[in-house]
Amino acid sequence: AQSVSQHNHHVILSEAASLELGCNYSYGGTVNLFWYVQYPGQHLQLLLKYFSGDPLVKGIKGFEAEFIKSKFSFNLRKPSVQWSDTAEYFCAVPGRRALTFGSGTRLQVQP
Amino acid sequence: DVKVTQSSRYLVKRTGEKVFLECVQDMDHENMFWYRQDPGLGLRLIYFSYDVKMKEKGDIPEGYSVSREKKERFSLILESASTNQTSMYLCASSNPRVFHGYTFGSGTRLTVV
Repeated sequence: AQSVSQHNHHVILSEAASLELGCNYSYGGTVNLFWYVQYPGQHLQLLLKYFSGDPLVKGIKGFEAEFIKSKFSFNLRKPSVQWSDTAEYFCAVPGRRALTFGSGTRLQVQP
Repeated sequence: DVKVTQSSRYLVKRTGEKVFLECVQDMDHENMFWYRQDPGLGLRLIYFSYDVKMKEKGDIPEGYSVSREKKERFSLILESASTNQTSMYLCASSNPRVFHGYTFGSGTRLTVV
């Protein structure tokens, strides 16, 4: 079974700053990777996913993530954040029974 | 769009009460899940179901049970609510044949007093 860790628990950025949130997974054969976002008061929604192919994955709202197999990483990036990106971000991988989620990173973007 | 609907957004219950959290999805998904979300702990799997009347324990099933009598509905039951079950509860569903991830409901914030 795979596990996932997110090392950034709380990130504070100013608008227009660049973002990179870390996600590391344990090895477990076929790698499927997900990033979910939860905006304040809203449900979790899929930001992007990687199943195979191009390791650079583009998602909604200008987010992207790069799968680096040698580093067991799937970091989330955005070149220029906006106040509306304030949310909690979760990395996830398939576990033995269901998706296993990281502990989440709370992003606060200051105007 | 797939919709996953959780019947209550906020609930306040007393210690020892039996609590039912309801979840309904409208896209004929076989798989349904219950997670709880706590600050700093992310989402932890309580139970999941891969078909009607089929269920499996997740990582933290103690104090909970589930019921899936119909494909679209998956209920989480707290047999005797305790204060350490105060949490946000998230329901999700997925199609195992065409897997694109999970669709989540809006969550039920349960407070046990």
